[in-house]
Amino acid sequence: AQRVTQPEKLLSVFKGAPVELKCNYSYSGSPELFWYVQYSRQRLQLLLRHISRESIKGFTADLNKGETSFHLKKPFAQEEDSAMYYCALRGHNQGGKLIFGQGTELSVKP
Amino acid sequence: EAGVVQSPRYKIIEKKQPVAFWCNPISGHNTLYWYRQNLGQGPELLIRYENEEAVDDSQLPKDRFSAERLKGVDSTLKIQPAELGDSAVYLCASSSLSAGASEQYFGPGTRLTVT
Repeated sequence: AQRVTQPEKLLSVFKGAPVELKCNYSYSGSPELFWYVQYSRQRLQLLLRHISRESIKGFTADLNKGETSFHLKKPFAQEEDSAMYYCALRGHNQGGKLIFGQGTELSVKP
Repeated sequence: EAGVVQSPRYKIIEKKQPVAFWCNPISGHNTLYWYRQNLGQGPELLIRYENEEAVDDSQLPKDRFSAERLKGVDSTLKIQPAELGDSAVYLCASSSLSAGASEQYFGPGTRLTVT
């Protein structure tokens, strides 16, 4: 079965602290992995995808096929990072269908 | 560019009533998606269109849900009759290439409350 699991519903850190939002997936094959973000009162938007291997707003994510994980990391959290974060998977030959995790709310306190 | 437009933004109805949601994708985007997001969950795909053809509707509850995308642009998602469990946010998204090769852009969603 194809599944994305985000074990933490809420993650609360202080400004300047490192952040790691966990994402594990289940898929038979090599999927594409994404992180989407939803800031307060804004629409869901793409943060980064594993094939790009880029850093966006200081966030990075490495695909670990052995552990089937795609954790999102940032070394120094900022208050403006507070948002809902969703990990998503897209399988091959399935069109554009995204399978989302349940989301993690990140709260960065001053 | 306005992005994906959805209306209404909020809808409150009594159970057994019909309801419809409208989506206008980004101009030129041939692929359109409808997702449902239950409280505390991530979005789940209901149906995907390539132009005017529904190419994946396996997750659409066809006994009460229907969708159409006439002329391959705007789309309407309908529920008739609505049930209490249909309360959710209904998201529309669009992308410019088929086979999921490009980024999906999401609309603001329609929050449905069924009482």
